[in-house]
Amino acid sequence: EDQVTQSPEALRLQEGESSSLNCSYTVSGLRGLFWYRQDPGKGPEFLFTLYSAGEEKEKERLKATLTKKESFLHITAPKPEDSATYLCAVQNNAGNMLTFGGGTRLMVKP
Amino acid sequence: NAGVTQTPKFRVLKTGQSMTLLCAQDMNHEYMYWYRQDPGMGLRLIHYSVGEGTTAKGEVPDGYNVSRLKKQNFLLGLESAAPSQTSVYFCASSNPGGYGKNIQYFGAGTRLSVL
Repeated sequence: EDQVTQSPEALRLQEGESSSLNCSYTVSGLRGLFWYRQDPGKGPEFLFTLYSAGEEKEKERLKATLTKKESFLHITAPKPEDSATYLCAVQNNAGNMLTFGGGTRLMVKP
Repeated sequence: NAGVTQTPKFRVLKTGQSMTLLCAQDMNHEYMYWYRQDPGMGLRLIHYSVGEGTTAKGEVPDGYNVSRLKKQNFLLGLESAAPSQTSVYFCASSNPGGYGKNIQYFGAGTRLSVL
């Protein structure tokens, strides 16, 4: 059974204070690891897909990295508008279904 | 481009009542999914469909039924609502395939309370 664990559950940062969110996973053949952003009252919004260990992707202040056991979402010099819940999910080779972690709620204070 | 649209956005039911949640997508995606999201438990897959006329069970299917009569629509039904079905429901759609083709896109959600 695929499993995804995200840590920490919540993270408070000051504006400009860089940090990382962790996503640990076990999967029977990784097809892809996905990062989503979810704002309160809204649906998850796609950020990145990583397909193999060593792969990195960037978007504005966000950078996602992948190893064989975990993924990190690095946030550089965050701004208050980066406040959201960040969700990690894995997809195995058996199909298109995603297994989600519980999410990390990020709060960035000005 | 609307993407994935869910109706209604909010609903309050009494125990034992029935209702149908509608999901519509305009991206011509083959696959569609229904999830529920509960505090601290992340998103859990209820049912999914790999094409028009097909449905399959996900992780938490009990108490729900689905239908996919048209490619663009995926309906989630609750025949006899229970308080344990109080949750936020999300619909998603995607195309099958490998690199860059299997991204799921989500609707804005339906917030359901069962009293």
